[in-house]
Amino acid sequence: EDQVTQSPEALRLQEGESSSLNCSYTVSGLRGLFWYRQDPGKGPEFLFTLYSAGEEKEKERLKATLTKKESFLHITAPKPEDSATYLCAVQAGSNSGYALNFGKGTSLLVTP
Amino acid sequence: GAGVSQSPSNKVTEKGKDVELRCDPISGHTALYWYRQSLGQGLEFLIYFQGNSAPDKSGLPSDRFSAERTGGSVSTLTIQRTQQEDSAVYLCASTPSYGSNQPQHFGDGTRLSIL
Repeated sequence: EDQVTQSPEALRLQEGESSSLNCSYTVSGLRGLFWYRQDPGKGPEFLFTLYSAGEEKEKERLKATLTKKESFLHITAPKPEDSATYLCAVQAGSNSGYALNFGKGTSLLVTP
Repeated sequence: GAGVSQSPSNKVTEKGKDVELRCDPISGHTALYWYRQSLGQGLEFLIYFQGNSAPDKSGLPSDRFSAERTGGSVSTLTIQRTQQEDSAVYLCASTPSYGSNQPQHFGDGTRLSIL
């Protein structure tokens, strides 16, 4: 059975304190791994797609990397506006109609 | 509109009532997905549409749930005889075409509360 596990569940950082969020997965036939950001009361907002081990993508203070078993979302010098829940999702060969299989998310709080 | 639009944004109803949730995807997007997000849980896939067709309904939690899509655009998710465990945020997403390697674009959801 496909599994997506995110850690930690919650993370509190001071502004400027870099860290990484983890997404470990067990799927058959990975088609893509997706990172989303979700603010309270809003739908998930797309950040990155990674397709193969070794791939990296960057956007502002965020950098996503992928290995055969896990993905990391690195946050460099975070700001309070980076506070949100970060969701990882996989699209696998076993998923119906290219649906996404989501982890439970990491809730990030960045304090001034 | 520019994004996926869902209505109502909030719905409070009594146990046993029927509810209808609406999703208007991004214009021109042919694939549409419904998910459910319960408190403390990850997003749970419910059903997808390729055009007006829903080839796989096995993700729907029970036979009280049904969904349809007409004209290749708006979709409605209907829950009959609602139960308290149906309380959740129902999210809709769309992609330009049916296939892999496409990020799904989400609406802000309908927050459903069953009293």
